[in-house]
Amino acid sequence: GAVVSQHPSWVICKSGTSVKIECRSLDFQATTMFWYRQFPKQSLMLMATSNEGSKATYEQGVEKDKFLINHASLTLSTLTVTSAHPEDSSFYICSARDLGLAGIHNEQFFGPGTRLTVL
Amino acid sequence: KNQVEQSPQSLIILEGKNCTLQCNYTVSPFSNLRWYKQDTGRGPVSLTIMTFSENTKSNGRYTATLDADTKQSSLHITASQLSDSASYICVVNPGGYQKVTFGTGTKLQVIP
Repeated sequence: GAVVSQHPSWVICKSGTSVKIECRSLDFQATTMFWYRQFPKQSLMLMATSNEGSKATYEQGVEKDKFLINHASLTLSTLTVTSAHPEDSSFYICSARDLGLAGIHNEQFFGPGTRLTVL
Repeated sequence: KNQVEQSPQSLIILEGKNCTLQCNYTVSPFSNLRWYKQDTGRGPVSLTIMTFSENTKSNGRYTATLDADTKQSSLHITASQLSDSASYICVVNPGGYQKVTFGTGTKLQVIP
């Protein structure tokens, strides 16, 4: 149980295009999903917290118009990198908090990640 | 400022040997601490969770310890295998729905 999937697993795009990454909780409901980015040899950096049915909360320094987050259902959140540039190339990871385990250990389950390369 | 520091930054060991990874934190309040294993190009996978009252917890060849007084945790890997090669991340949760703090990670390489 507690499986989180991401799609695509990797994507290569041209500079200036937009890329959408999906994060799904497959066997549980998640009111909250988190989006992280990870640069080589660095730890995960929280970009935003996505709550179902409401606007995402972005961390300081993360442009909300650049990284559009939509959490339309309890099992799906999407991150759209708009007008991507080479500096946006990174590993993007989502995690989901199990509604059933809410408040218990603040459990998060991570997706497998999406490797974005912007040419 | 909440911080989680891990050491060593990287480690190379021979297959079959044991190793211990360290995690020091300044996060307060404290609810629990998790160790994750992250394979290259993959998302983190939880290995153990330690709450305030727990000192030791094992998961197969992984044994985590916690000293809440000194705010230190360790992850001991016994009889290492090539598949243990990965980054190990210590994550501290202050409790409730507050943000967790990620450690800097230790990159472990097990060589034959």
